[in-house]
Amino acid sequence: DTGVSQNPRHKITKRGQNVTFRCDPISEHNRLYWYRQTLGQGPEFLTYFQNEAQLEKSRLLSDRFSAERPKGSFSTLEIQRTEQGDSAMYLCASSLPGWNEQFFGPGTRLTVL
Amino acid sequence: TQLLEQSPQFLSIQEGENLTVYCNSSSVFSSLQWYRQEPGEGPVLLVTVVTGGEVKKLKRLTFQFGDARKDSSLHITAAQPGDTGLYLCAGRDIGSSNTGKLIFGQGTTLQVKP
Repeated sequence: DTGVSQNPRHKITKRGQNVTFRCDPISEHNRLYWYRQTLGQGPEFLTYFQNEAQLEKSRLLSDRFSAERPKGSFSTLEIQRTEQGDSAMYLCASSLPGWNEQFFGPGTRLTVL
Repeated sequence: TQLLEQSPQFLSIQEGENLTVYCNSSSVFSSLQWYRQEPGEGPVLLVTVVTGGEVKKLKRLTFQFGDARKDSSLHITAAQPGDTGLYLCAGRDIGSSNTGKLIFGQGTTLQVKP
């Protein structure tokens, strides 16, 4: 069990550029979540996958954001036309179905200049 | 909308002191979790409390779930510099059709000085 991994750990980009983050969940976990955390705040839910199906999206997820989990394993989160307000830590978590505990990855820190 | 409010937001204490962090809501949660997060890392799960009135201990940390399942507390005895970090409470959003998404409090930043 290698835990949840995320890549890259840090990303610095210029406003208007597109960025993509990857999350590899714990192998048996079919539930996958993306959260966003800004400095001094708790994480906020963005979206949820059960296997390859995206079942819930937050209103925080504007049309510039898209997430996929094509084979029910790893997931990607893409942000198009980044804005300075997108600067945050993007966290991925996974869990087993019906299980309370979510296990978080180390996050991807995005800085938009 | 379910909200979780944590207090205090910041706490700076000397090594050896005791402290309590509170997590309150006007809504009922089926369970509450406590996480600890270090700078630049993801949250690490400490404990899950499920039953109203439940008390769980993890070494010097004591977690309590309120009888009505609307609040929780974390008590640390004889704090050590290694306890420094951001403590987050999180509850499962019961309005989300069993997706299991979590609602987090804003966190309590704890600094323990040697």
